[in-house]
Amino acid sequence: GQNIDQPTEMTATEGAIVQINCTYQTSGFNGLFWYQQHAGEAPTFLSYNVLDGLEEKGRFSSFLSRSKGYSYLLLKELQMKDSASYLCAVRTRRNDYKLSFGAGTTVTVRA
Amino acid sequence: GAGVSQSPRYKVTKRGQDVTLRCDPISSHATLYWYQQALGQGPEFLTYFNYEAQPDKSGLPSDRFSAERPEGSISTLTIQRTEQRDSAMYRCASSFSSGGTDTQYFGPGTRLTVL
Repeated sequence: GQNIDQPTEMTATEGAIVQINCTYQTSGFNGLFWYQQHAGEAPTFLSYNVLDGLEEKGRFSSFLSRSKGYSYLLLKELQMKDSASYLCAVRTRRNDYKLSFGAGTTVTVRA
Repeated sequence: GAGVSQSPRYKVTKRGQDVTLRCDPISSHATLYWYQQALGQGPEFLTYFNYEAQPDKSGLPSDRFSAERPEGSISTLTIQRTEQRDSAMYRCASSFSSGGTDTQYFGPGTRLTVL
């Protein structure tokens, strides 16, 4: 099976920066996705990495190292509305459309 | 439609009953996925469709689970002879196609409770 690990919970202060790590051991690799999921709502797409390096999108950035099986999602200038679960997901093969998800990291932003 | 819709949003049933869940994907999307999500966990893949074809149903937990997409748009997921362990959130997602960076857009889910 696929093994995707992320911390269960993180707490940070409004305006701060938080880094959510994701490590994966999978049978193959063809892309890593980050999704945000607010309580009781559907997951929404945040970012996609398939090559090594940093992808920046506003306050959110995502990094990938394929050789280390490692990614992180960086959230800057935290806002209260960023309190949510953040899901790391891996696509393991080029023509394998399904995503294998981690259990998610619940981020709580405090005033 | 504007987004992925699912119905019903909540379903409570008794053990042994059959249930059918419905997903209406974004209208231009060829690919449709079904996931099961337990509380506090990430979604687990069940099956997917490319138009009406169902190339992969490896994630379906047992032969009590089946899915259809006969006209390549709306899909249904049927669970026969429900068991308490089937209680979960069932999420549908769709994407324009199936490769590359194509984003999967998730629906609001159906919360199934089997008593």
